[in-house]
Amino acid sequence: AQTVTQSQPEMSVQEAETVTLSCTYDTSESDYYLFWYKQPPSRQMILVIRQEAYKQQNATENRFSVNFQKAAKSFSLKISDSQLGDAAMYFCAYRYSQGAQKLVFGQGTRLTINP
Amino acid sequence: DAMVIQNPRYQVTQFGKPVTLSCSQTLNHNVMYWYQQKSSQAPKLLFHYYDKDFNNEADTPDNFQSRRPNTSFCFLDIRSPGLGDAAMYLCATSRDIGRALTEQYFGPGTRLTVT
Repeated sequence: AQTVTQSQPEMSVQEAETVTLSCTYDTSESDYYLFWYKQPPSRQMILVIRQEAYKQQNATENRFSVNFQKAAKSFSLKISDSQLGDAAMYFCAYRYSQGAQKLVFGQGTRLTINP
Repeated sequence: DAMVIQNPRYQVTQFGKPVTLSCSQTLNHNVMYWYQQKSSQAPKLLFHYYDKDFNNEADTPDNFQSRRPNTSFCFLDIRSPGLGDAAMYLCATSRDIGRALTEQYFGPGTRLTVT
């Protein structure tokens, strides 16, 4: 079974600085998708960024980028120029590319932005 | 705006008293999911509907049932809630178009309290 591990329960960063959230996963599959979701306090979960495993190029969405290391099964999220609105719980998630679109989530990292 | 709506946002029920949570979507997505998220934990998939086909996770207790009367609506029924069922219940939807990388859209969740 696939598992996703986020080893940092909490992180904090100064506003305008850069922070990296870690995620590792375990799978025997070669074709899959990886996601970072953001869950602000009392608000719904939204997609931050996604990566197809077959793509070597790291995904980027504005201030958010990933470092995807397929051999190491690592998928970290870098947030540049952190803003107060980035404060949230961040979940790393795995999805197999075929069959049911089941997401397997990591335990989450709570990110605090210090003004 | 198209979205995933969950009602109610907060639900209090008594131990053993059946409760139903509802989810509706205006996205016309063919897949709907129910996740359970306990405090400070990752969301855990309970089951999902692929069109009209119900797909239960192997470790979902029998106490949890679901109905999807049409494309737009999906219900989560808890037949005899226990104290351990207190959690946030998240509904999500996606459009499955084969191997394409589609994201899941989440509702704001229903926080269930069992007294």
